[in-house]
Parts: sequence; structure tokens; C-alpha cells
Amino acid sequence: GAVVSQHPSWVICKSGTSVKIECRSLDFQATTMFWYRQFPKQSLMLMATSNEGSKATYEQGVEKDKFLINHASLTLSTLTVTSAHPEDSSFYICSALTGGSGGSPLHFGNGTRLTVT
Amino acid sequence: KNEVEQSPQNLTAQEGEFITINCSYSVGISALHWLQQHPGGGIVSLFMLSSGKKKHGRLIATINIQEKHSSLHITASHPRDSAVYICAVTRTGNQFYFGTGTSLTVIP
Repeated sequence: GAVVSQHPSWVICKSGTSVKIECRSLDFQATTMFWYRQFPKQSLMLMATSNEGSKATYEQGVEKDKFLINHASLTLSTLTVTSAHPEDSSFYICSALTGGSGGSPLHFGNGTRLTVT
Repeated sequence: KNEVEQSPQNLTAQEGEFITINCSYSVGISALHWLQQHPGGGIVSLFMLSSGKKKHGRLIATINIQEKHSSLHITASHPRDSAVYICAVTRTGNQFYFGTGTSLTVIP
């Protein structure tokens, strides 16, 4: 089946530094990838939709300059948390569609737990 | 009001019990997804359906498009089924809406 690899699985960084999270589709081409944030005991919150070769579409309330998303190839999307602060500590997850429409299955990475000290 | 409502929010069951989790949505959709998230955080897509019923092992998912409602059933529940189950719907243009999840605990 389709595999999405997310790296790193956890990261601790100091306040003010930037952290890059990678999301790779290993055995399929993902024209569309999604980035989510999840707070403890809450459901997924969609942050942005990333389309290969174009700018990401951010959800309302998500700071574009804070959460930089790059989808440079059909198999890789990255999320960079810039100038991280403790309130950015969270669980970040990516997912990818195997097809081009909303009617395609979703495949998720295993998530990245970010702790900002 | 959330576009996707799930119930119950929390559910505890004895091993072997039949479990039902419900999902109602208020928007037109192209597909509905049932997701399973284990305590470690990883998410698995269980079902994607746009009509009727699907079965995989002990899991059954149904959807009623007219009533905008879906159910996830687990037969002969087992402690390893303990997880958070999330209902999500997709609209055209890759719009996604997520339910708040149902936390299931199956006690041996």
C-alpha cells in the first residue's frame, strides 16, 4: 500500500530557532499533500494544502510566514516552523492523496512531535 | 457549528462487545473517511466511502448520503481496537473537514 514517511518523528528545539519537517510519499506520486496540527486530546486541525509546484493554500488563522510549506517535487513536501516559540509545541502530521481529487484515499505520515523550549 | 459531528466523544466497552460510532455531516461531500489514530499518534485510513457499505475484517462502515450520516461498527471488539476514531469528509477541491474524534477503550 501507499506509504508516507514523515521525518523527524520528534524534535526538541530552542525558542527562536527554525525546524524543518519532511513528508515523503515513498511509492506513489502525491500531487497534493496536507499538513495538520494536533493539540493533546483534540482532533486534527488542517493547516494548509500543498500542491506540487505551486504555493500552499493556508487555512484561516494559520500564519504563512510562520509555517513555511514547500512542495518542490511529487514526492516531497516540507513544513518549516520559523522562529519557533513554546506555543508552537505540538504534534504535526502530514498526509497525501494518491489521486488528484477529494475522492481518493488519504495516507498519513506518523507525525512529528515538536517541543520548543 | 462543526461541519462534522461525531458521537460519542468517549466510549468504553468490554472485550467482545459490538461497537458503533456515529458521524453526521452538514455539507455536500465527495467522500467520507474513517481514520484510526493510536496513542503513538500515527493515523491509519480505515475506509473511504461515498455510498453504501464497506467491510474489512471486523470493521464495517456504512453511509447514508440522503441523511448525511455514517456509522463505523466494530464487531467482537478487542483491546487492540482501543484508539481514537476520526470521521472526515472531503468536498470537491480537496476541502477536508474533520470530526473531533471518538476515543475508544476496550477493556479485557
